[in-house]
Amino acid sequence: DAKTTQPTSMDCAEGRAANLPCNHSTISGNEYVYWYRQIHSQGPQYIIHGLKNNETNEMASLIITEDRKSSTLILPHATLRDTAVYYCIATSGSRLTFGEGTQLTVNP
Amino acid sequence: DTEVTQTPKHLVMGMTNKKSLKCEQHMGHRAMYWYKQKAKKPPELMFVYSYEKLSINESVPSRFSPECPNSSLLNLHLHALQPEDSALYLCASSANMLAVQETQYFGPGTRLLVL
Repeated sequence: DAKTTQPTSMDCAEGRAANLPCNHSTISGNEYVYWYRQIHSQGPQYIIHGLKNNETNEMASLIITEDRKSSTLILPHATLRDTAVYYCIATSGSRLTFGEGTQLTVNP
Repeated sequence: DTEVTQTPKHLVMGMTNKKSLKCEQHMGHRAMYWYKQKAKKPPELMFVYSYEKLSINESVPSRFSPECPNSSLLNLHLHALQPEDSALYLCASSANMLAVQETQYFGPGTRLLVL
């Protein structure tokens, strides 16, 4: 699986969009980009995934650059409950290799 | 129902004890996973079962012994653990580990303390 790089921490104001970047410059053609998050002391929660097209679901949007070397997870209207560690993972199968992730703190 | 349940929520055990962690899912998933998560660190894969057979063992010490009695149930048997094994143990499941796109559903974890 390709290595991913994320900022250690980010802050966001409640109600604003949270944009979480991820670098995966060595991603291969058959690897998908997955995003999971982990709220303190809970199990990780799946958010969204994509291959090369932008994706949107009820939780978030995923923007993948045309060269697929980076992506951005967008939470359109962040709430306090979105405070969590967000993990970006590049994988071609079911094996998930978690990096250190980004601690997102949503402030009132 | 996208729920993975784990019992117990918390477990304290001595280094000579034998205990088991239990994980259950009723989504019809055929792949089940054990992860270990130390404090302030990301989860690390330990074992993967596919169709009730052990497919991946990430060089986990033999004091951890997984078991998959049926497609809904996954156990992790613990024996002669060390204090450094204290961690959050997470179970996950997915429809089929051989598929290219696989979403894993995680349980809430068992927080283990070894004294």
